[in-house]
Amino acid sequence: DQQVKQNSPSLSVQEGRISILNCDYTNSMFDYFLWYKKYPAEGPTFLISISSIKDKNEDGRFTVFLNKSAKHLSLHIVPSQPGDSAVYFCAASAIGGSEKLVFGKGTKLTVNP
Amino acid sequence: DTGVSQDPRHKITKRGQNVTFRCDPISEHNRLYWYRQTLGQGPEFLTYFQNEAQLEKSRLLSDRFSAERPKGSFSTLEIQRTEQGDSAMYLCASSSRQAFYEQYFGPGTRLTVT
Repeated sequence: DQQVKQNSPSLSVQEGRISILNCDYTNSMFDYFLWYKKYPAEGPTFLISISSIKDKNEDGRFTVFLNKSAKHLSLHIVPSQPGDSAVYFCAASAIGGSEKLVFGKGTKLTVNP
Repeated sequence: DTGVSQDPRHKITKRGQNVTFRCDPISEHNRLYWYRQTLGQGPEFLTYFQNEAQLEKSRLLSDRFSAERPKGSFSTLEIQRTEQGDSAMYLCASSSRQAFYEQYFGPGTRLTVT
């Protein structure tokens, strides 16, 4: 049972344009969400997070939007840069429950110069 | 570098052998997590420690797997009688008491069982 779903295995965008990565979840107990970036042969790197009490969080070029009613979140990267090319994972946690993170399968982002 | 470190980075072993991996968390973090990642999948939770106490184990963690964090600092993950299905990237993460949900990962140990 995939509780966190990233339905797009890959995404390709031009340098300077916006990248939008999407994530859906099914478990209504999730109340904290994170995005990680992963380069080959490295561990995931924490990018940005959002609590369920918010609907938007920004950090530089990265913005995460949360739509609780739709159980959907998205990561916007503006402007996209070639160095952003990596696999992006959405993860969720239920504060007050298990401390484990539940990850999606990832979306491979390619930013073309 | 004060990030999470893991050793070794790569391990090739023959089926049936035992292997042990080490993880050193960020020094002020009291929580330590182990995950496993296979090709095309996201990391999957295995187990976690709060200080030296192992608080949760996934059903993925069969009785061939054991993890310890004896002094609440570094942790080891041992796999006994390895099987080819154990081939994966083993990731360690740590987090602080104040923000346990923000987990910081090490570079991983790539295990190949031949």
